[in-house]
Amino acid sequence: QSGLTQAPSTSGTPGQRITISCSGSTSNIGSNAVSWYQQVPGTAPRLLIYSTNLRPSGVPDRFSGSKSGTSASLAISGLQSEDETDYICAAWDDSLNVVLFGGGTKLAVL
Amino acid sequence: QVQLQESGPGLVKPSETLSLTCTVSGGSLDKYYWSWFRQPPRKGLEWIGYIYYSGTTKKYSPSLNSRVTISVDSSRNLLSLRLTSVTAADTAFYFCARVEYFTGDGFDIWGQGTLVSVSS
Repeated sequence: QSGLTQAPSTSGTPGQRITISCSGSTSNIGSNAVSWYQQVPGTAPRLLIYSTNLRPSGVPDRFSGSKSGTSASLAISGLQSEDETDYICAAWDDSLNVVLFGGGTKLAVL
Repeated sequence: QVQLQESGPGLVKPSETLSLTCTVSGGSLDKYYWSWFRQPPRKGLEWIGYIYYSGTTKKYSPSLNSRVTISVDSSRNLLSLRLTSVTAADTAFYFCARVEYFTGDGFDIWGQGTLVSVSS
């Protein structure tokens, strides 16, 4: 099954604001909430954003989420070296009846 | 603080059944939906299925539906996964996770994951 589409990599410098995009379709992002996860390779995903734009307790407000149509975005402001890892989007797909994930975007903090 | 811990054999032979458990500590299964996911090494996440804490509601990924069973044992705070007729394609890290309302969104607590290799 096809997943959500993310760019494989992106980069930024400390203090900068960057956005990571996630593209889908009307059956997933277009009609359902989007989550974002942070994952250090070899470890479990950590929930950063749920219900498209809400942060769980403990997640810094440097992280924010939004969506427009069939695309969603994760913004990270005040970039820090510790933000260098993988970011993954997810949404329920009404046609496939699965939770769909993006392939992940690897963020490098230069 | 609720913690999840997956456990089970790290090596399963082709055509055999993969069985994993997820132990919930620091809380109970009550009032949550519980899911299994997997992630082949260096690849993307895949949702396997979910079950409500009472066991009354389950849903599986259509691609795995014929081979997968998810169950709960509330008395032991356990979530279980069975995957039959495994092949090398089932080699992956397997994670359990919880969510309050199943909309496919917002899995807030995850286990650390366990690697299962399928090989003879």
